Amino acid sequence: SAVISQKPSRDICQRGTSLTIQCQVDSQVTMMFWYRQQPGQSLTLIATANQGSEATYESGFVIDKFPISRPNLTFSTLTVSNMSPEDSSIYLCSVEISGRGNSGRFYEQYFGPGTRLTVT
Amino acid sequence: LAKTTQPISMDSYEGQEVNITCSHNNIATNDYITWYQQFPSQGPRFIIQGYKTKVTNEVASLFIPADRKSSTLSLPRVSLSDTAVYYCLVGGRMDSSYKLIFGSGTRLLVRP
Repeated sequence: SAVISQKPSRDICQRGTSLTIQCQVDSQVTMMFWYRQQPGQSLTLIATANQGSEATYESGFVIDKFPISRPNLTFSTLTVSNMSPEDSSIYLCSVEISGRGNSGRFYEQYFGPGTRLTVT
Repeated sequence: LAKTTQPISMDSYEGQEVNITCSHNNIATNDYITWYQQFPSQGPRFIIQGYKTKVTNEVASLFIPADRKSSTLSLPRVSLSDTAVYYCLVGGRMDSSYKLIFGSGTRLLVRP
């Protein structure tokens, strides 16, 4: 498993501003992921961040709006740019722990506690 | 893309076994099935993962039929602390890209 922390845990921001969310993991991991979760809803993948390469964005998410940095194997940031009230959500990072176990290969994700963003 | 369908909610009582089923008719060959538990104001917590047949760990079992178009998470003897939202996740890695589709979640309420 992995222990993941996020900063800030919550924030209230004005529209038009930007917020950078930090994600720190206690071990070196290759793949990190960023998700958005609207209150009471499921998780939607924003992008996949592989250390040393450009992030891969899912349909509906673009780099200009959600730039991601991945400077090393234990850290990543997600910036929510030019925010509007529609960006109010919980943003979560996760890491992949993969390997081979008794039942074959596994690809497990472990999540941070999330960042609750409110845009006014 | 594999679309996943779960019951919106389930009720149970302490000490009972709870089975939550997720349908994923369009699951791909490379897809794994993973289940997560989420409490309010927390990130999802990994429960169990499987590819086919049955997987068991210290907290749950996962049953996957041969056609892999559904999966069932089984929680033995639930307690009040098992009240949470349970998500199935279908997807995995294809070369260097990922496909990760979360279900809509099942809200489990365990009553005394």
